[in-house]
Amino acid sequence: GAVVSQHPSWVICKSGTSVKIECRSLDFQATTMFWYRQFPKQSLMLMATSNEGSKATYEQGVEKDKFLINHASLTLSTLTVTSAHPEDSSFYICSATPRVSTTFGYTFGSGTRLTVV
Amino acid sequence: DAKTTQPPSMDCAEGRAANLPCNHSTISGNEYVYWYRQIHSQGPQYIIHGLKNNETNEMASLIITEDRKSSTLILPHATLRDTAVYYCIVRVASSGANSKLTFGKGITLSVRP
Repeated sequence: GAVVSQHPSWVICKSGTSVKIECRSLDFQATTMFWYRQFPKQSLMLMATSNEGSKATYEQGVEKDKFLINHASLTLSTLTVTSAHPEDSSFYICSATPRVSTTFGYTFGSGTRLTVV
Repeated sequence: DAKTTQPPSMDCAEGRAANLPCNHSTISGNEYVYWYRQIHSQGPQYIIHGLKNNETNEMASLIITEDRKSSTLILPHATLRDTAVYYCIVRVASSGANSKLTFGKGITLSVRP
């Protein structure tokens, strides 16, 4: 089945620094990947849609200059949290959908726990 | 995409069937019903999906009412490892940027020993 690998699984960083999270589709090509954020005891909130070879589409209220998304290949999308602050501490999750239209379910990464101190 | 309504929580005994309801009264004819679950501190996991007919796989069964306004996810023999938040999502099946999944609050299933 489709596998999405997300790295790192957890990271602690200092305020003001940047953190990069990788999302890879291991056995399929993904023209589109999605980035979600989840705060404790809340549901997943979509941050942005990452499209291979083009600019990401951000949801309302998500700062594109703070959350940089790069989808340079059909198997890799990265999310960089720039100038991280404690309020950016959250669980970040990516999801990938295959290139070919399908009615099958979408595959999610295992998530990245970001703690900004 | 149509919205869904789920109870906030439910519990069941280990080994018994867990029946998780979902209302989607505004579902359109081309929208599928998807179920995902999220075990604590993990990414969501796909369970099953359906359009009109009931569906069954190795994880669960999905029962969709004839008018498609509601559905029930059935875990036939719940185990402690099934304790999770279960999300019912309805959306049109498509690819690309229009295929995003929007999560509601889900239902927290607690399986007790």
